[in-house]
Amino acid sequence: GAGVSQSPSNKVTEKGKDVELRCDPISGHTALYWYRQSLGQGLEFLIYFQGNSAPDKSGLPSDRFSAERTGGSVSTLTIQRTQQEDSAVYLCASSIDRGNEQFFGPGTRLTVL
Amino acid sequence: KQEVTQIPAALSVPEGENLVLNCSFTDSAIYNLQWFRQDPGKGLTSLLLIQSSQREQTSGRLNASLDKSSGRSTLYIAASQPGDSATYLCAVRPAQAGTALIFGKGTTLSVSS
Repeated sequence: GAGVSQSPSNKVTEKGKDVELRCDPISGHTALYWYRQSLGQGLEFLIYFQGNSAPDKSGLPSDRFSAERTGGSVSTLTIQRTQQEDSAVYLCASSIDRGNEQFFGPGTRLTVL
Repeated sequence: KQEVTQIPAALSVPEGENLVLNCSFTDSAIYNLQWFRQDPGKGLTSLLLIQSSQREQTSGRLNASLDKSSGRSTLYIAASQPGDSATYLCAVRPAQAGTALIFGKGTTLSVSS
């Protein structure tokens, strides 16, 4: 595709429910990143995938958060037992390799009621 | 721990003015620095990427400089236009392999006609 795409664009859920957020990176990009942007906060790194290497999960805030990347392309970020503090915009980015320019998707706005 | 600071947090200027946005970082061991633009409710658009070995990059009315030793970068916008109104984010990529971007909290620019 022409750019990074994310779905859904908006997600409203009830506290305690699980949610899945999807990211389609730019074709051919080996590196994929998930970030979170909370109201009043800057963007914070969550998790990073590079090719077939083990992901860097150092930014995940709790064990309720997990992510996978299937076939080196599409990635899914899963949040289990959502809490109100999980409300944020979740942004995905990809780059052709780990040191290169990162291109961002439009984000998924998650609201936990 | 790398920290990125952007000053000012907000800036209002009349159309036609030249302006400078500032970014500082605490650890000079960076791989590159990237400037982004974010419109309300949207994802990030990459503006300029400066590698650690470079001093500046230019794109149209935008010029970004990098002084790695002093931990500073500036984004210069010439002849500002109302369409430049957005939040501008600075992000550094640490020199360690496999690390994600560390973002400042941004400068929100408003250009009045």
